[in-house]
Amino acid sequence: DQQVKQNSPSLSVQEGRISILNCDYTNSMFDYFLWYKKYPAEGPTFLISISSIKDKNEDGRFTVFLNKSAKHLSLHIVPSQPGDSAVYFCAPNTGNQFYFGTGTSLTVIP
Amino acid sequence: NAGVTQTPKFRVLKTGQSMTLLCAQDMNHEYMYWYRQDPGMGLRLIHYSVGEGTTAKGEVPDGYNVSRLKKQNFLLGLESAAPSQTSVYFCASSYNRGAYEQYFGPGTRLTVT
Repeated sequence: DQQVKQNSPSLSVQEGRISILNCDYTNSMFDYFLWYKKYPAEGPTFLISISSIKDKNEDGRFTVFLNKSAKHLSLHIVPSQPGDSAVYFCAPNTGNQFYFGTGTSLTVIP
Repeated sequence: NAGVTQTPKFRVLKTGQSMTLLCAQDMNHEYMYWYRQDPGMGLRLIHYSVGEGTTAKGEVPDGYNVSRLKKQNFLLGLESAAPSQTSVYFCASSYNRGAYEQYFGPGTRLTVT
């Protein structure tokens, strides 16, 4: 029972272009959605979050969009940089439930 | 300020052996978590704690026990290790839930033969 899915295991983007990472979920009770970035052999680090009462949150090059009716969120990175190459996880939570998606490996090509 | 530390970094166990993984945080966080990461599965929550002396089950708690005797420490125990518990284990802590980010340790790579 996978409550959080990231259907694209990998994504390659040219430097300077936009990267769009997607996340779908099934639990309508999730009230916060966080994105984490992970480099090999390190723990995940926080990137950006959004509350379920909002549909957009922006922080520098990173923007997260939430579509509650579709149970879908996306992370946009623009412009993409080679240092953005990492695995990205969406991580929704509510009350006593904490989930991570399966991750999308982003490669930004110089 | 070390953040979240995990001990050990690597470990190899034989089936049936027991071990304890130690997680320590110096940020005075109330919430602490143990996750496992397996290929293609993302991170899955094993157990978590919302404060000293409290623990709760996550998504995949079977075969593991935890204790939070001190606010800064969260221990994960494997009483009788099985090959299915071969994984990378991450500990994390946060001030609260919701929008509060989790801070992760560097991980422990455990192999059970």
